[in-house]
Amino acid sequence: RKEVEQDPGPFNVPEGATVAFNCTYSNSASQSFFWYRQDCRKEPKLLMSVYSSGNEDGRFTAQLNRASQYISLLIRDSKLSDSATYLCVVNSGPGGSYIPTFGRGTSLIVHP
Amino acid sequence: NAGVTQTPKFQVLKTGQSMTLQCAQDMNHEYMSWYRQDPGMGLRLIHYSVGAGITDQGEVPNGYNVSRSTTEDFPLRLLSAAPSQTSVYFCASSSRGMAGGDYNEQFFGPGTRLTVL
Repeated sequence: RKEVEQDPGPFNVPEGATVAFNCTYSNSASQSFFWYRQDCRKEPKLLMSVYSSGNEDGRFTAQLNRASQYISLLIRDSKLSDSATYLCVVNSGPGGSYIPTFGRGTSLIVHP
Repeated sequence: NAGVTQTPKFQVLKTGQSMTLQCAQDMNHEYMSWYRQDPGMGLRLIHYSVGAGITDQGEVPNGYNVSRSTTEDFPLRLLSAAPSQTSVYFCASSSRGMAGGDYNEQFFGPGTRLTVL
């Protein structure tokens, strides 16, 4: 079982829709959580970190549920430009060193 | 700042050949890492470094070597290329050496697309 799991999708939504992705992780000692965005044939770029209390950046909201070991990303008022793959990243590792583990990504397609 | 640069962008090798993928960053980041990305597999960590002179293995280190003689450079060497190493390789750097819960955004290079025949 992979340490970080995501639904690969694709999620196909119309412009203006609200869409949510979940990501589950298996290591209960995980410490840091992030969402990255990757456009086709490009490098990943940080979208937002995920804080314990939840955080919002414009149309994007990230949540962390430690008890159930998942993080989520909510996108409101979807734009065509939101079409991309969204990667969940969890930092965990032995002895105080933190090793990032990437999920396989969730594909989002926003259509007119 | 150029950020993270990688060369070459594309490479075709024959089975058994060796080569070095170059990675450099100009942000004075302590932490650097190499990933490979395959369809349906996501990014997998090959090797990483928390500072000059210090390297460690990631999830899929076999067939690859690294060294970190300077803060700026972190080359990845393929010792004897195999078709299973056909992939997209990304180098990344971070401003924090992986310590207790610190926020550490990774900055990625544009990638090297490698095909081994």
